[in-house]
Amino acid sequence: QQQVKQSPQSLIVQKGGISIINCAYENTAFDYFPWYQQFPGKGPALLIAIRPDVSEKKEGRFTISFNKSAKQFSLHIMDSQPGDSATYFCAPISSARQLTFGSGTQLTVLP
Amino acid sequence: DAGVTQSPTHLIKTRGQQVTLRCSPKSGHDTVSWYQQALGQGPQFIFQYYEEEERQRGNFPDRFSGHQFPNYSSELNVNALLLGDSALYLCASSLRGTFYNEQFFGPGTRLTVL
Repeated sequence: QQQVKQSPQSLIVQKGGISIINCAYENTAFDYFPWYQQFPGKGPALLIAIRPDVSEKKEGRFTISFNKSAKQFSLHIMDSQPGDSATYFCAPISSARQLTFGSGTQLTVLP
Repeated sequence: DAGVTQSPTHLIKTRGQQVTLRCSPKSGHDTVSWYQQALGQGPQFIFQYYEEEERQRGNFPDRFSGHQFPNYSSELNVNALLLGDSALYLCASSLRGTFYNEQFFGPGTRLTVL
């Protein structure tokens, strides 16, 4: 787990605000960088992912920014909604195809 | 199309006992991975099964074992349970050879060891 450090541990934003979650990694063998979303009582579900040859990827209100030299990537949620309230995990992958999860960020979006 | 299913939903055991958890993968998937998620933590990889063999293993003792059946379903067995084994156990399925083998997770089995 120390291979991946995620911050913040918890985040509270107002509806319509921007949520930003960060992930720092050590293992240079990671070659794919997904974010997972987990609701209470459910398993994690893939939200968005980025390859290391791209610096940014946007899907709707969700954007990943990737900085290879700093070994960091972040998730930005624009126009945050109460339905986005969940726990978010970064989970980079190496060629071994194992997900290495961060410790998670509990996001609460206030109405 | 049914997603990944796991049984049972909840389970309570006492220290020293043995437990078996079951997983049915998403239709069309041939690879099953198991993860342990302690309360407030991210999931940790236990092992992965493909073609009825354990292909990869995380940093878990051999008290944790598994099996994959010809229909791709899988079992996770834990022997000599410890209090620290209390966690949510997640099963994820994927199709080997697809782009980055995207894993689809089940809802998990909540194991409580008393």
